[in-house]
Amino acid sequence: DGGITQSPKYLFRKEGQNVTLSCEQNLNHDAMYWYRQDPGQGLRLIYYSQIVNDFQKGDIAEGYSVSREKKESFPLTVTSAQKNPTAFYLCASSPMTSGIYEQYFGPGTRLTVT
Amino acid sequence: QKEVEQDPGPLSVPEGAIVSLNCTYSNSAFQYFMWYRQYSRKGPELLMYTYSSGNKEDGRFTAQVDKSSKYISLFIRDSQPSDSATYLCAMKGSGDKLTFGTGTRLAVRP
Repeated sequence: DGGITQSPKYLFRKEGQNVTLSCEQNLNHDAMYWYRQDPGQGLRLIYYSQIVNDFQKGDIAEGYSVSREKKESFPLTVTSAQKNPTAFYLCASSPMTSGIYEQYFGPGTRLTVT
Repeated sequence: QKEVEQDPGPLSVPEGAIVSLNCTYSNSAFQYFMWYRQYSRKGPELLMYTYSSGNKEDGRFTAQVDKSSKYISLFIRDSQPSDSATYLCAMKGSGDKLTFGTGTRLAVRP
């Protein structure tokens, strides 16, 4: 079964702790993305990567970090520097040949920080 | 002003109705236009995409782009309760990123 998996589905953390969200894809897509979704704000791009060992900041990268050591994996770390980390986090991937407009999304991770 | 504006709804229609969902945008560089459907607590799924102006039909769904008015629409014919979801428009210019609308929540009543 091809697709994008994100784990866990729900994550709870105390303020001040770093937390890493997992994203894995077996679609052989080159590009991967992390978005944050808040009520009334739509999807906002955090980081994206078009090739292994390279990634770019999106519109709201502050307080987040990523790595891309393997084509299949693009983990996101939410650091203690992120002021409002509670949100629904979505990972997506895209084949570069599509022109990066066909993005396929994972099921999301809902992070709650108290 | 946001680059992409989308009425958040909710939009409530009876089963079988024709639904019209719309987005307006301000960036004339946008060339690719997409519609995603998102069920509650799930990731968005790509419904349709179009390039530049014109219409595209896929089953009960029709996407329309009017670049002169900077206006895109998604029509759903013979709407079903299973169409109840949030519909997101997304757009892309020459860069690498998509710009999303905030989504319109649709409820189809049986």
